[in-house]
Amino acid sequence: DVKVTQSSRYLVKRTGEKVFLECVQDMDHENMFWYRQDPGLGLRLIYFSYDVKMKEKGDIPEGYSVSREKKERFSLILESASTNQTSMYLCASSWDRGPYNEQFFGPGTRLTVL
Amino acid sequence: GENVEQHPSTLSVQEGDSAVIKCTYSDSASNYFPWYKQELGKGPQLIIDIRSNVGEKKDQRIAVTLNKTAKHFSLHITETQPEDSAVYFCAADTNQAGTALIFGKGTTLSVSS
Repeated sequence: DVKVTQSSRYLVKRTGEKVFLECVQDMDHENMFWYRQDPGLGLRLIYFSYDVKMKEKGDIPEGYSVSREKKERFSLILESASTNQTSMYLCASSWDRGPYNEQFFGPGTRLTVL
Repeated sequence: GENVEQHPSTLSVQEGDSAVIKCTYSDSASNYFPWYKQELGKGPQLIIDIRSNVGEKKDQRIAVTLNKTAKHFSLHITETQPEDSAVYFCAADTNQAGTALIFGKGTTLSVSS
């Protein structure tokens, strides 16, 4: 079974802190994605990566950065957390750059910024 | 860029009834339309998908239809059961490298027994 794990289920941080959200997949997938999920807004793509050290902006990249130093690990970084970044963050991975690839999601990290 | 609209946002049905969720997309170049189900406390999971060269696909109690001319696709669940209660998301591919998806805003389906 494909497994996507996220470092924390719940996280509480203070405004201005630097926050790291970690995601690891164990199926040698090439693509990895970060989404945020908010009530009434669905899933919005923040960043994705189709190879090590490669990244592409999604729909809402402002205030976020990412890092992919190893194939299995994709990190989301909030350089200076703000209250409007309080949200559920979901990581996903998929097989390769071709079309029709199922995305496998982790359980999510609920981040609260105070 | 691609935009995906999903309706309704909430849907309540009695056990055994059918449920239909509809989505429209804007980019005529999209070719892949998956549906994901998210249960409470879990990440979304793919339940069915359809490609642009197919008009309908069925898997037991769930089916998806696609009308490329009208740019809309629908999820049909028959003989609903309480375990079908979840949030359902439709999505469309964006033709970007890595097969990024644009998701609809989701439909919360409640099946009461």
